[in-house]
Amino acid sequence: GAVVSQHPSRVICKSGTSVKIECRSLDFQATTMFWYRQFPKQSLMLMATSNEGSKATYEQGVEKDKFLINHASLTLSTLTVTSAHPEDSSFYICSATRTSGTDTQYFGPGTRLTVL
Amino acid sequence: GQQLNQSPQSMFIQEGEDVSMNCTSSSIFNTWLWYKQDPGEGPVLLIALYKAGELTSNGRLTAQFGITRKDSFLNISASIPSDVGIYFCAGLGYAGNNRKLIWGLGTSLAVNP
Repeated sequence: GAVVSQHPSRVICKSGTSVKIECRSLDFQATTMFWYRQFPKQSLMLMATSNEGSKATYEQGVEKDKFLINHASLTLSTLTVTSAHPEDSSFYICSATRTSGTDTQYFGPGTRLTVL
Repeated sequence: GQQLNQSPQSMFIQEGEDVSMNCTSSSIFNTWLWYKQDPGEGPVLLIALYKAGELTSNGRLTAQFGITRKDSFLNISASIPSDVGIYFCAGLGYAGNNRKLIWGLGTSLAVNP
């Protein structure tokens, strides 16, 4: 168990458009989901922590109006990159922790965003 | 942001050799995790450590949670080509009311068949 999916796996969009990425916990309920961004050959950078039914907590330097996070259910969180620009191109990864049990994070496969 | 000191940064070894990598921190963690990431994929959990001094194995992988709670190592025995990837250590810490992972910079492993 502890499978996390992301959709889409890759997306190419024009500058100025908005892109929504979904993160789902397939076989468990996730009270908390996390959104990361990863640049080539670098470690994961936490963008925000999302608890079901409440506003996300953003890390310092991450624009909450730019990266909209919605965690409407115990199995789904979405990240919307609004008015995307080329500098937003990156690998976005979500993770989830079980509602019950340890705080171990299980990761999705990632979404490659390319903004032209 | 805060990061763990992970070493070595990269390794290039022959198939069959053993591998060792480690992470250190100036802060205490109550949980240490080791992940492997393949190119274009999300990290996959290899081993989770919850108690100081704990030694845990997962197949050819062995990891230990340092007794001071400020370090951890991961060993891979008899490496095979599919061990290629980037290995990350992570410590679980608190940020306000949320728990979050503090990451090492990764160890890139290449295995020569």
